[in-house]
Amino acid sequence: GAVVSQHPSWVICKSGTSVKIECRSLDFQATTMFWYRQFPKQSLMLMATSNEGSKATYEQGVEKDKFLINHASLTLSTLTVTSAHPEDSSFYICSAGHWRNSPLHFGNGTRLTVT
Amino acid sequence: AQTVTQSQPEMSVQEAETVTLSCTYDTSESDYYLFWYKQPPSRQMILVIRQEAYKQQNATENRFSVNFQKAAKSFSLKISDSQLGDAAMYFCAWFRKGGSEKLVFGKGTKLTVNP
Repeated sequence: GAVVSQHPSWVICKSGTSVKIECRSLDFQATTMFWYRQFPKQSLMLMATSNEGSKATYEQGVEKDKFLINHASLTLSTLTVTSAHPEDSSFYICSAGHWRNSPLHFGNGTRLTVT
Repeated sequence: AQTVTQSQPEMSVQEAETVTLSCTYDTSESDYYLFWYKQPPSRQMILVIRQEAYKQQNATENRFSVNFQKAAKSFSLKISDSQLGDAAMYFCAWFRKGGSEKLVFGKGTKLTVNP
């Protein structure tokens, strides 16, 4: 079946630094990738939608300069948390899909801790 | 806007028994998908079952089955012969067919399986 690989699975960084998270579709071309944030015991909150070769569409309330998304190819999207602060600590998860297909496939997520 | 409602924050079931998780949704679309995802403590999102709106037959996957009532906009998940490994958060989700639309998630139901 379709596989989405997300790296790293766990990262600790110091406040003020930037962290990049990668999301790769391993065996299909992902025309669209989605980035979610999940707080403990809550549902997934969509942060942004990225389409290959175009700018990401951010959900209301999500700072685009804070969370930089790049979808440079049909198999790779990256989320960069810039100038991270402790309140950015969370679980981030990506999903990928092709417009012809469902369902969306999820990466295993990244647990970010900012100290 | 599409919404997905899971009215049961928590449910519990005895091992080997059957449990039903509720989900209702609101949409004006006629062609869409509905999904149930399982999120165990590892936080990986695992697709349990999916239903295409134009199919009247309820989807089944081994011990998992749905009761899809399109007119009532209801999509419940039945887990038969519950196992300890079924313990997880379960999310109901809606997806418009054919586009690069986002998944709309419910808030989730935490399922506990008692031995």
